[in-house]
Amino acid sequence: QVQLQESGPGLVKPSETLSLTCDVSGGSISNYYWNWIRQSPGKGLEWIAYIYYSGTTKYNPSLKSRVTISVDTSKNQFSLKLNSVTAADTAVYYCAREVSGSLAGSWYFDLWGRGTLVTVSS
Amino acid sequence: SYELTQPPSVSVSPGQTARITCSGDALPKKYAYWYQQKSGQAPILVIYEDKKRPPGIPERFSGSSSGTMATLTISGAQVEDEADYYCYSIDNSGDRAFGGGTKLTVL
Repeated sequence: QVQLQESGPGLVKPSETLSLTCDVSGGSISNYYWNWIRQSPGKGLEWIAYIYYSGTTKYNPSLKSRVTISVDTSKNQFSLKLNSVTAADTAVYYCAREVSGSLAGSWYFDLWGRGTLVTVSS
Repeated sequence: SYELTQPPSVSVSPGQTARITCSGDALPKKYAYWYQQKSGQAPILVIYEDKKRPPGIPERFSGSSSGTMATLTISGAQVEDEADYYCYSIDNSGDRAFGGGTKLTVL
C-alpha cells in the first residue's frame, strides 16, 4: 500500500526558504505526477505545483516565481522549496499523487499525505 | 489563475438532500471532481469525472455538471457527512485549481 509522508522544519523565519520533502513508500515514484498542495489555517486548498517522475514540472502562476519542485527517483521522494516566505505562507502542506482517470483529459489526486504544518514566524 | 466558485456554507437537516455548486469557466470542457475534508484530515475523493463514485463512497453521493456549473448532491445527508467540500478542476492551460470550499452542516 503506497503511503506519502511529508517532512521538514515546522518553523521558518520570514524571508527564508521553506523546504519540504515527501517520501513515497510502498510503491515506485515512477510513472506518476506528484504534487504539493497547501491549506492556510481555516482556509481552502491551494495547488502549488506538480512534477512528473521524469522531471517535467508545472507551477501555480501565483507562486511560480518563488517555488521549485524537484524529484529524486533514487530515493523515491520529491521536494518543495518556497523562497522569500512571509506569514501568508503559513499553512499545512500536503504532498499528493496525481493519476489519470478513465477518460481522456481526466487527472486527479488519489493519494495524499497527512500534511505538515509550517509556520512562518520570527 | 483559474477560479472555481462555491458557496461558503450549506446547511441541511439529517435525511434531507444537500446540493453544493461549483462554477468555473472551463467546466463545459473540463471534468469536475469533489473532495471531502473532515477536520484535521487530508481530503478524500468522493466524485470524479463529474459523476463517478470511487469505491467505498456511499451511493448517496452523486455529481452532475452542466455548462459552467458542477453540482455535488448528497441525498439523505447523514451527520457523518458534515465536512468541508472542495470542487477541483483543471483549466485550459493545465493549471490545477480548487474551489474555495463549502462547509456542510448537517443538524
